[in-house]
This record gives sequence, structure tokens and C-alpha cells, in this order.
Amino acid sequence: KNEVEQSPQNLTAQEGEFITINCSYSVGISALHWLQQHPGGGIVSLFMLSSGKKKHGRLIATINIQEKHSSLHITASHPRDSAVYICAIPEGGSQGNLIFGKGTKLSVKP
Amino acid sequence: KAGVTQTPRYLIKTRGQQVTLSCSPISGHRSVSWYQQTPGQGLQFLFEYFSETQRNKGNFPGRFSGRQFSNSRSEMNVSTLELGDSALYLCASSLYSGSRTEAFFGQGTRLTVV
Repeated sequence: KNEVEQSPQNLTAQEGEFITINCSYSVGISALHWLQQHPGGGIVSLFMLSSGKKKHGRLIATINIQEKHSSLHITASHPRDSAVYICAIPEGGSQGNLIFGKGTKLSVKP
Repeated sequence: KAGVTQTPRYLIKTRGQQVTLSCSPISGHRSVSWYQQTPGQGLQFLFEYFSETQRNKGNFPGRFSGRQFSNSRSEMNVSTLELGDSALYLCASSLYSGSRTEAFFGQGTRLTVV
């Protein structure tokens, strides 16, 4: 059974700091998702990646398939980045059956 | 382009009652998945529908059921509600059901069972 481990669980940063959130999984996968959840509950899909690196604005996601590890980086962090960041992987061949990490709660102080 | 719409946003029900939640996917998306989020268990997969057929089901009791209509809208039903069913229920839609398909999530329905 595939499991997803995230670290750290909680992270407090000062505005402007570089943030790294890590995600490790136990079995081979075809793709990995990074999600963002704000206090209101809705989830936004940030990245879906199967190899290498993707960048969107101040967010960068990397994945190392051989090491079964992915990282989410936030450059020049801002208080509006405060949210829970969740990584998720599909179980089997279906996108719908996602297994989620427990999330990293990020708080960026001004 | 409208996003994924879940209704209602909030719901309070009594133990023993049943509840139906609705999810309208992004236009053109044919896959809808449902998830339950609780403080203790985090996010857990409930089921996935594609073209009106249930493709996968998570490890939940039979009180949890769902369906998908020809227009891809989906409903999930929980019968004989228990206090532990209090949770945020999220649905996500995607173009198709492959493992490399990006998922778009709705805002969720927060269900409270009293």
C-alpha cells in the first residue's frame, strides 16, 4: 500500500523567506499533485508533475522519481501564502483514487 | 469557465437522517471523485465516477453511495447518519480518469451531524 509522508507538519516563516515543504512516498507513481487549502476549506490544485520541475510564479515543485521524493518551494513568501499544503498521489491507474499526505500548515508572518 | 460547484455549502443534520450532496463538474469534465476530510483522518477517497460508472470505491461503509448523471453531475448520499460523518466533503472533477489528469476541486460541503 502506498503511503505519503509530508514534512514539516507545521511551518512558521517571516515574510520574504524561502520555504521548502517535502513529500515522500513508498511505491512507484505516475504523477504527484501539490494542493493548497485555505481556511475556508476549498482546495486549489497547484501542480501535477511526473518528472523534473515545474514553476508557477513564486512556486516551484520538483520531483525525483528514483528517490520517491518531491519538494514544494515558495520564494519570497508572503502572508497570503499562509495555508495548508498537501501532496497527493494516485493509487493504481486512476487519478480519482488519491492518497493524501497529512498536510503542512504554513503561516507567514508580516 | 465556471469551476466545480458543490451544493449546499453547509448542512446540519440529525443522527439517523440521510443526506444528499451535489457536485457539478467543470463543463466537459467526465470524471468526478469524492473525498471526506476530517481532523482525525485527513483527506480520504470515497469514490470516483466516470461516464456514469463507478470506477473506484474507497474504504467506507455501504451507507455512503453515489451516482453520476449523463451530464456528469454527481451526487453522493449518506444514509443513517452518524456523528462521525461530520466532515468536509469535497469533490473534484477532471477531463478523464487517467492517473496523469489534473484534478479541480470544489469548495466543499461542510456537514455537521448532531
